[in-house]
Amino acid sequence: EIVLTQSPATLSLSPGERATLSCRASQSISSYLAWYQQKPGQAPRLLIYDASNRATGIPARFSGSGSETDFTLTISSLEPEDFAVYYCQQRSNWPPYTFGQGTKLEIK
Amino acid sequence: QVQLVESGGGVVQPGRSLRLSCAASGFTFSNYAMHWVRQAPGKGLEWLAVVWFDGSYQYYEDSVQGRFTISKDISNNTLSLQMDSLRVEDTAIYYCARQGGGAFFDFWGKGALVTVSS
Repeated sequence: EIVLTQSPATLSLSPGERATLSCRASQSISSYLAWYQQKPGQAPRLLIYDASNRATGIPARFSGSGSETDFTLTISSLEPEDFAVYYCQQRSNWPPYTFGQGTKLEIK
Repeated sequence: QVQLVESGGGVVQPGRSLRLSCAASGFTFSNYAMHWVRQAPGKGLEWLAVVWFDGSYQYYEDSVQGRFTISKDISNNTLSLQMDSLRVEDTAIYYCARQGGGAFFDFWGKGALVTVSS
């Protein structure tokens, strides 16, 4: 089973700042990685798929990069609505489709 | 527009069974693989099961293999999860999700809460 490790667990930033979230895979997953955003009481929302492709309707301030074992989600300039929990997920070696443990992005 | 609506959640005793449903609309249900994902209170996301677009194949996470059964009723646009031998640790919000063109989960339902407690 592929393990995804996200860092940091919590990230405290202010609106307007740049956010950089990391996801590391226990073995190579090529570019088969997605990022999701989850706000309290809501279902997850797909942001990025195949490491760097924005899903439909996702603002350009969200970008993804990386391949093999190291991946990054970058939010170029934080908006108030961006404060949430972010999960990465792999589909390279399934089942299972594993998720990372999440990074909480909170307002500083 | 794509909609996924879960139902069937509730409180159940350990060892009992429960069946969740997910009503799909706004897309051609028979063209998409579908998944169940759960989230225990205050915890992260856990993938549980997938059923192929035509219902022909199913795959499960190890902890639910043999206890949970995923199925797809294409004629009624409904995804189901039959959960047997429920355990306290199965307490969670259960989401259905569509596998989109990028083979990730592009649409999710709002979730159904299942509480396993005596």
